[in-house]
Amino acid sequence: DAGVIQSPRHEVTEMGQEVTLRCKPISGHNSLFWYRQTMMRGLELLIYFNNNVPIDDSGMPEDRFSAKMPNASFSTLKIQPSEPRDSAVYFCASLSGGALREQYFGPGTRLTVT
Amino acid sequence: GEDVEQSLFLSVREGDSSVINCTYTDSSSTYLYWYKQEPGAGLQLLTYIFSNMDMKQDQRLTVLLNKKDKHLSLRIADTQTGDSAIYFCAETFTGGGNKLTFGTGTQLKVEL
Repeated sequence: DAGVIQSPRHEVTEMGQEVTLRCKPISGHNSLFWYRQTMMRGLELLIYFNNNVPIDDSGMPEDRFSAKMPNASFSTLKIQPSEPRDSAVYFCASLSGGALREQYFGPGTRLTVT
Repeated sequence: GEDVEQSLFLSVREGDSSVINCTYTDSSSTYLYWYKQEPGAGLQLLTYIFSNMDMKQDQRLTVLLNKKDKHLSLRIADTQTGDSAIYFCAETFTGGGNKLTFGTGTQLKVEL
């Protein structure tokens, strides 16, 4: 298996532009998580889905952030409009279920908003 | 809410043992985990312990859990330069579903 796939790996954009981050979870995994990592705030859970349904979006910072999971093999995280303070590494992770609940992380998307 | 705390940095010499500590507040933890993040990469599960265990050993890794004090530690024996990374403790808890609460991360630097 290729693991969790994220694209793009790097994104540089100007303030005010729309940004879309993409994630393909591991096939057969039924939970998907979006995290943001910064030096100041560490690793923050933004939202997670079970069976394509959003379960907990309490970490989504503002209405500028939205996430979708139209099917079991694809999810997007959209920021519109983007701001410099959104600059971070965004990780997607997926989980197969079972008691252990091991999450498998993608390589991340490094977002820079100028 | 749940809170998981770690010290930010640890520096050790190659060949020494490293001990990374973590404290948590939620008493309904089910599993506790150690994840490793190498530079430029995502987190990867290193080891875990079920909440009713006190200790788990896995090759060079020893996990100790003091449930009374809500304290978790990871000991790496014979630390190598390849162990340099950020280490996160994390927990799942009753009623939290599949959600993981991560600590702040400890940056381990291994010096020659």
